[in-house]
Amino acid sequence: GENVEQHPSTLSVQEGDSAVIKCTYSDSASNYFPWYKQELGKRPQLIIDIRSNVGEKKDQRIAVTLNKTAKHFSLHITETQPEDSAVYFCAVPPLRETSGSRLTFGEGTQLTVNP
Amino acid sequence: DAGITQSPRHKVTETGTPVTLRCHQTENHRYMYWYRQDPGHGLRLIHYSYGVKDTDKGEVSDGYSVSRSKTEDFLLTLESATSSQTSVYFCAISELGEQYFGPGTRLTVT
Repeated sequence: GENVEQHPSTLSVQEGDSAVIKCTYSDSASNYFPWYKQELGKRPQLIIDIRSNVGEKKDQRIAVTLNKTAKHFSLHITETQPEDSAVYFCAVPPLRETSGSRLTFGEGTQLTVNP
Repeated sequence: DAGITQSPRHKVTETGTPVTLRCHQTENHRYMYWYRQDPGHGLRLIHYSYGVKDTDKGEVSDGYSVSRSKTEDFLLTLESATSSQTSVYFCAISELGEQYFGPGTRLTVT
């Protein structure tokens, strides 16, 4: 299946700093790249996504950048706040996915924002 | 949150017993999925459905079966539960790529 690598596995920042999480993938045909946030004991929730026809997308303090040539995409969180503390997952469609519906998830990044 | 519910939310069962988890949606989405989440493994796909009576295996399907007789319901069955199936199970739905997750079911097999 699709090989998705997510780094780092843990990230600790001071409140107000920026955080960056990176995912690399192997299938050059992938065209959809979402990020999910999962707070402790809760369900994963989609926070931002990007399709392959754009290089960057922003939504307030979060942004996703895509480098299709290098086959990686990153989540950027600026002006971090304690409520940003959570596990973040990237995902990509698996190899040979034709329906555009299935996703392969990275193993997650535990972000801790220290007050 | 999208209209997705899971039942039961918590279950403790004994090794060797059958268990069925239910996912119910009110969004009329075509695709439905079952994942398990374990520490260090992220979210792993068990089975998915692309329509009524249309299902296929995911990456960790051994020991699990599914059924979808109506658009709104997707059932996951553990025919004979084992301790390795202790996990948190999430259902998800999608229509055009974005997946939305249910609240999860915490299953413990003793």
